[in-house]
Amino acid sequence: GEDVEQSLFLSVREGDSSVINCTYTDSSSTYLYWYKQEPGAGLQLLTYIFSNMDMKQDQRLTVLLNKKDKHLSLRIADTQTGDSAIYFCAEWRNSGGYQKVTFGIGTKLQVIP
Amino acid sequence: EADIYQTPRYLVIGTGKKITLECSQTMGHDKMYWYQQDPGMELHLIHYSYGVNSTEKGDLSSESTVSRIRTEHFPLTLESARPSHTSQYLCASSAGTYLSKETQYFGPGTRLLVL
Repeated sequence: GEDVEQSLFLSVREGDSSVINCTYTDSSSTYLYWYKQEPGAGLQLLTYIFSNMDMKQDQRLTVLLNKKDKHLSLRIADTQTGDSAIYFCAEWRNSGGYQKVTFGIGTKLQVIP
Repeated sequence: EADIYQTPRYLVIGTGKKITLECSQTMGHDKMYWYQQDPGMELHLIHYSYGVNSTEKGDLSSESTVSRIRTEHFPLTLESARPSHTSQYLCASSAGTYLSKETQYFGPGTRLLVL
């Protein structure tokens, strides 16, 4: 089956680190993505990780992948109020010759000044 | 920055009207997608296209239809809008090829309200 799960809500204080977690069920996932959606806007690709990697760092963003547990996390260092948004985890895989992306429900990050 | 556009951004319309949501991308991507997102809910794929004259239905059943006559253009049409069609519609495109990564770039979305 294919399912991507995320917690719905996370609240952190400005300057702290945020960790958004995601679990997925399909072990054949090849790429895993994090998208950011600000209020009233479309989705913005933040970062992605290939399934044979454990970690990827991009400025304030760190992605950790535990393929054994099918667990993905996004850490935002020094969280700012501008980071308040909904964060979507997504997995990509090849399915019967077609490529398919499955999104989680999204985690709403609230940054408290 | 991705060059994918959607119009209108917001639309309020009465029941029974025919509407077309426009989506265009200038990146030359072969693949384009339409997602539906209700408030506070996950994204659902409703249509996708792998190139000109190719359209497929997605995971979520939708009464809308799509066409792909040109690479850059992927409009979505509702022949007779109903209140149950009220939602946000997100268009995306990607250049991924078979067995390569699929990075989808999203447009800003169209918020549709059917009265």
